[in-house]
Amino acid sequence: DTAVSQTPKYLVTQMGNDKSIKCEQNLGHDTMYWYKQDSKKFLKIMFSYNNKELIINETVPNRFSPKSPDKAHLNLHINSLELGDSAVYFCASSQWTSGGETQYFGPGTRLLVL
Amino acid sequence: KQEVTQIPAALSVPEGENLVLNCSFTDSAIYNLQWFRQDPGKGLTSLLLIQSSQREQTSGRLNASLDKSSGRSTLYIAASQPGDSATYLCAVRNTDKLIFGTGTRLQVFP
Repeated sequence: DTAVSQTPKYLVTQMGNDKSIKCEQNLGHDTMYWYKQDSKKFLKIMFSYNNKELIINETVPNRFSPKSPDKAHLNLHINSLELGDSAVYFCASSQWTSGGETQYFGPGTRLLVL
Repeated sequence: KQEVTQIPAALSVPEGENLVLNCSFTDSAIYNLQWFRQDPGKGLTSLLLIQSSQREQTSGRLNASLDKSSGRSTLYIAASQPGDSATYLCAVRNTDKLIFGTGTRLQVFP
């Protein structure tokens, strides 16, 4: 009954490799996000999708390519991994209501590039 | 460009104290402000959401206030408990995205 889930939880890989992180939400939300949290714990948005359409792309290198096969899934593929890509990547989803918009976060994927 | 700052960066207090965490933002044109909690190795949990037209929100021992004109929000935690130990993040919504603060790492010791 997990609301927002991510796989894998941990990912250790070599520089230059290509890897994917998957995210699924079972909340029926229209909007999904990818965030990056760096070593200083600063959390910054990378991408946002609404009903499978890209809404936000925050000057992220084009080695990062999100894909939303349907409203409940938002995957993140990273090509040619670099040391600086090491971080925790969080997926989130949200829905607007009369009370505003609350984002629900997944548990994070801890990526370490060696 | 919106910038969100949180003070203090870290706080360590004995159990039972009342706490105030501060959040400031540079652009007052926000839709709402949200306070989150992040436990070590975990994702974020939303605590309180304040719309731009509201002054405060309360949930249990938590009370968040918003002064949009001065670009400030505070999170008040009453009668703190060891289970409150976590990092607290505030985030403001500008048009289409959340912009997060730097976080306050709170430790409540017995």
